[in-house]
Amino acid sequence: AQTVTQSQPEMSVQEAETVTLSCTYDTSESDYYLFWYKQPPSRQMILVIRQEAYKQQNATENRFSVNFQKAAKSFSLKISDSQLGDAAMYFCAYRGGSNYKLTFGKGTLLTVNP
Amino acid sequence: DTEVTQTPKHLVMGMTNKKSLKCEQHMGHRAMYWYKQKAKKPPELMFVYSYEKLSINESVPSRFSPECPNSSLLNLHLHALQPEDSALYLCASSQAAGMGEKLFFGSGTQLSVL
Repeated sequence: AQTVTQSQPEMSVQEAETVTLSCTYDTSESDYYLFWYKQPPSRQMILVIRQEAYKQQNATENRFSVNFQKAAKSFSLKISDSQLGDAAMYFCAYRGGSNYKLTFGKGTLLTVNP
Repeated sequence: DTEVTQTPKHLVMGMTNKKSLKCEQHMGHRAMYWYKQKAKKPPELMFVYSYEKLSINESVPSRFSPECPNSSLLNLHLHALQPEDSALYLCASSQAAGMGEKLFFGSGTQLSVL
């Protein structure tokens, strides 16, 4: 079974600074996707970024980028120029070819300090 | 329109009540999902509908009964719930049910069972 581990229950960052959230996963599959979702106090889960495992190039979306290390099974999220609106719970998630189920990590609560 | 709309936002029900949660999307998506999220935990998959047919049931108790009347609408019928069923119920949709698909979530229904 696939597992997703987020080792940082909480993180904080100063506004305009950069922060990196960690995620590791375990799988025996060769074809899969990785995602970062954020859940602000509104409780809506919002997709931040998606990475295809077969792509070596790291995905980027504006201020959000990932460091995908396939051999190490690591998928960290970097948030540059942090803004107050980035404060949220961030979930790393895995979806593979065996059953297409989206498996979430336990989440990292990010606080942005003004 | 990239919205998934869930109603009601809040629901309080007794253990003998029958109620329904509603989810609607108009993005032309053909896969729809129900997730359950307890406080400070990641979402847990309950059901997946693909092309209006139930494709995944994650061993959910029969007191939860999903229904997909058409491609835009997803219901979750609730009957004889237990207090431990109190949680945030999230609906999501995607273009299809494939592993690389981006899920779009609603803001959820916060359910309290007394």
